[in-house]
Amino acid sequence: DGGITQSPKYLFRKEGQNVTLSCEQNLNHDAMYWYRQDPGQGLRLIYYSQIVNDFQKGDIAEGYSVSREKKESFPLTVTSAQKNPTAFYLCASNGGAGELFFGEGSRLTVL
Amino acid sequence: SQQGEEDPQALSIQEGENATMNCSYKTSINNLQWYRQNSGRGLVHLILIRSNEREKHSGRLRVTLDTSKKSSSLLITASRAADTASYFCATDTMNSGYSTLTFGKGTMLLVSP
Repeated sequence: DGGITQSPKYLFRKEGQNVTLSCEQNLNHDAMYWYRQDPGQGLRLIYYSQIVNDFQKGDIAEGYSVSREKKESFPLTVTSAQKNPTAFYLCASNGGAGELFFGEGSRLTVL
Repeated sequence: SQQGEEDPQALSIQEGENATMNCSYKTSINNLQWYRQNSGRGLVHLILIRSNEREKHSGRLRVTLDTSKKSSSLLITASRAADTASYFCATDTMNSGYSTLTFGKGTMLLVSP
């Protein structure tokens, strides 16, 4: 089935460690996005990419990094520079009609 | 920056009743979208209304847009327990030549049997 696959669903990290969240799509969409969601909050944009090998910072890019080497893949690395990384991370893609297709999310907890 | 703000933050109704959620935003938009999120899951797109449209329907959903007041409303008619979820509005604006969505904080809807 076509869609967005995020992994892992749950992830635990010790302070000072970098972690990478995977996002894969088989929808043949050009644009991909990473959002962060905190309890009781809306989604905040971390990074987005319109085409392969190109990406732009969103509203809260500090402490995060991304790559877009393949159209299907848009991994997010949460670095040790991110001071409050515990959150629910959502990846999405956009086929050009405007609506976003979301994955099921990855919940990161810092121990 | 938070563009859309939903109201109310939480809404509790009985099955069969209608649910109305409102969204206000601050800057010009290309379109406004509504999404649904079940607890702990990803968001699902419900409906998109363009800036030159005033009303749109999809099944039991009715969305209105008033660009002069910078506001939108989502009406769910004849609600069901399965409609229990959080609902978010998202505004589509141009950012450095790219279209990006900015989400509000959402309305939590509880529909009791």
